Amino acid sequence: DTAVSQTPKYLVTQMGNDKSIKCEQNLGHDTMYWYKQDSKKFLKIMFSYNNKELIINETVPNRFSPKSPDKAHLNLHINSLELGDSAVYFCASSQERGLGYEQYFGPGTRLTVT
Amino acid sequence: GEDVEQSLFLSVREGDSSVINCTYTDSSSTYLYWYKQEPGAGLQLLTYIFSNMDMKQDQRLTVLLNKKDKHLSLRIADTQTGDSAIYFCASRPGTYKYIFGTGTRLKVLA
Repeated sequence: DTAVSQTPKYLVTQMGNDKSIKCEQNLGHDTMYWYKQDSKKFLKIMFSYNNKELIINETVPNRFSPKSPDKAHLNLHINSLELGDSAVYFCASSQERGLGYEQYFGPGTRLTVT
Repeated sequence: GEDVEQSLFLSVREGDSSVINCTYTDSSSTYLYWYKQEPGAGLQLLTYIFSNMDMKQDQRLTVLLNKKDKHLSLRIADTQTGDSAIYFCASRPGTYKYIFGTGTRLKVLA
């Protein structure tokens, strides 16, 4: 069973379009995240949600709008896509109780904007 | 500010030990993590260590933590070609907050 899943795995689109990426976790975790990994593999946090509430918004353009309909889902909608948005986007989840607070990552969505 | 640094590349021969190093700046980091990323895949959690420990061993993996110097290392014993990947160190300086290093690309030569 996949713990953290994302769809689609690949997304190719043109500048100016609007697109969404979906994420689901079946680990029962209470916190979910979106990360952006650039071409140099540098990983940067974008958002985190705890129990459906936005906790962290790391200076991300407001063209990016996360939505958490429930604790198991965190979707990312991007408006007016730009060339610089091309990257791999990772969803992750963790549990803010207990020990370790380990994050578990999805397989990533490779977004290419042409 | 909070920062995590790693060397970018490491090359070892199959069967040798690999040691990947990491330094972090935030002394309030309570947990430190190692992740592995294979090509085209997500980050896979390998292990983590609590800040009041100085060593943790898990099969071929040994994590050493020097809290005074804010230095973390991951030793992989008997490195195999399947260990070739990017290894990320991460710190947790606060609630919901994780800082990732730049990643170390490990290449294992047959």
